[in-house]
Amino acid sequence: NAGVTQTPKFRVLKTGQSMTLLCAQDMNHEYMYWYRQDPGMGLRLIHYSVGEGTTAKGEVPDGYNVSRLKKQNFLLGLESAAPSQTSVYFCASSFRGVPYNEQFFGPGTRLTVL
Amino acid sequence: DAKTTQPNSMESNEEEPVHLPCNHSTISGTDYIHWYRQLPSQGPEYVIHGLTSNVNNRMASLAIAEDRKSSTLILHRATLRDAAVYYCILRDHGKNFVFGPGTRLSVLP
Repeated sequence: NAGVTQTPKFRVLKTGQSMTLLCAQDMNHEYMYWYRQDPGMGLRLIHYSVGEGTTAKGEVPDGYNVSRLKKQNFLLGLESAAPSQTSVYFCASSFRGVPYNEQFFGPGTRLTVL
Repeated sequence: DAKTTQPNSMESNEEEPVHLPCNHSTISGTDYIHWYRQLPSQGPEYVIHGLTSNVNNRMASLAIAEDRKSSTLILHRATLRDAAVYYCILRDHGKNFVFGPGTRLSVLP
């Protein structure tokens, strides 16, 4: 099993450009999450999904959109990138109904917005 | 949401035990205590979790105070590979994780 994979690993954007980050998991997990991590800080939840076709806002959703058209994929979109969105983005997934909700994380995407 | 307090950084010598503290004085009765760690340039990974009783697994032990206002993650023999940021997180069932800045553990050879 590949676990959770993220594409791309690195990206540089200019202010105002758009892009989509792809997260894929092969563990048949119902729940998927997008986090961002700024230098020296913990992870902050952007959006999450509790199943195919569902999405919900997390702690810092502004400037991002998400879609979960297939159970195994969770896409994070930036419609008009801003320098404040320079960060490392992590995707995670977990089973539904597990009381302790162990989350499995991808390797991250490092995004720089100039 | 209940908050956690951890030291910013700690050091340990290789092959010695490490005790990583976490204070959570406002914990509710249904909050689970979770520990994750993040190795350099990687995503976080699950370490251990508990509710009331002490817990052991192949990676670590979790000691929970009787009043649940604090807990300690114990690495029995630190290796260089254990150098990471360790996050103590409280989470009630059905709610999302909230990561703080964690404790950066350095392991000295």
